[in-house]
Amino acid sequence: DIVMTQTPLSSPVTLGQPASISCRSSQSLVHSDGNTYLSWLQQRPGQPPRLLIYKISNRFSGVPDRFSGSGAGTDFTLKISRVEAEDVGVYYCTQATQFPWTFGQGTKVEIK
Amino acid sequence: QLQLQESGPGLVKPSETLSLTCTVSGGSISSSSYYWGWIRQPPGKGLEWIGSIYYSGSTYYNPSLKSRVTISVDTSKNQFSLKLSSVTAADTAVYYCARQVGGSYRPRELDYWGQGTLVTVSS
Repeated sequence: DIVMTQTPLSSPVTLGQPASISCRSSQSLVHSDGNTYLSWLQQRPGQPPRLLIYKISNRFSGVPDRFSGSGAGTDFTLKISRVEAEDVGVYYCTQATQFPWTFGQGTKVEIK
Repeated sequence: QLQLQESGPGLVKPSETLSLTCTVSGGSISSSSYYWGWIRQPPGKGLEWIGSIYYSGSTYYNPSLKSRVTISVDTSKNQFSLKLSSVTAADTAVYYCARQVGGSYRPRELDYWGQGTLVTVSS
């Protein structure tokens, strides 16, 4: 199975400041069809996960443009340009390139 | 707006079978563009993909659970279901159903999620 490793596991941030989460996969996530099936999910407290970013850098419908994704191969990053109070929660990277689909362990974003 | 809603018993005895159903509204489960999946999250822990199904009945299971999992679909009711046999306390979790975008004939991104339902395994 592909192992997804996120850093940091906890990220205290000041409102209005940027935040960055790294995700590294144990194997390349480039599929033979040319796509890289790396997504980012946000899970607010007490809520189900919500899709933020798919295929590395595509924002899902309704996701604010302060969220951006980047990376290639085995190294990926989620950035929040200016953290707002509603961004508090746990963020997961997930891969759907190689069966079985796997998730990172999660990064908790909280306000300082 | 697409909505998914899990339903089923919140308490299951050890060694018995966990059964959940996901009802899809606001869209057709028979769409050729999507798959339908189950994911679980033990209390305070991370996410684990259980398996997925296409409207035709094709299934994809996590090898770690494959021997105990059955996912089925009922297109007439716009529902799909999960059965997990021989449960233990380790299967206690919030179970989510979700839609997956299809890509290269496999389920990919999880784009819409249900609210989740907590299933506790205890005697």
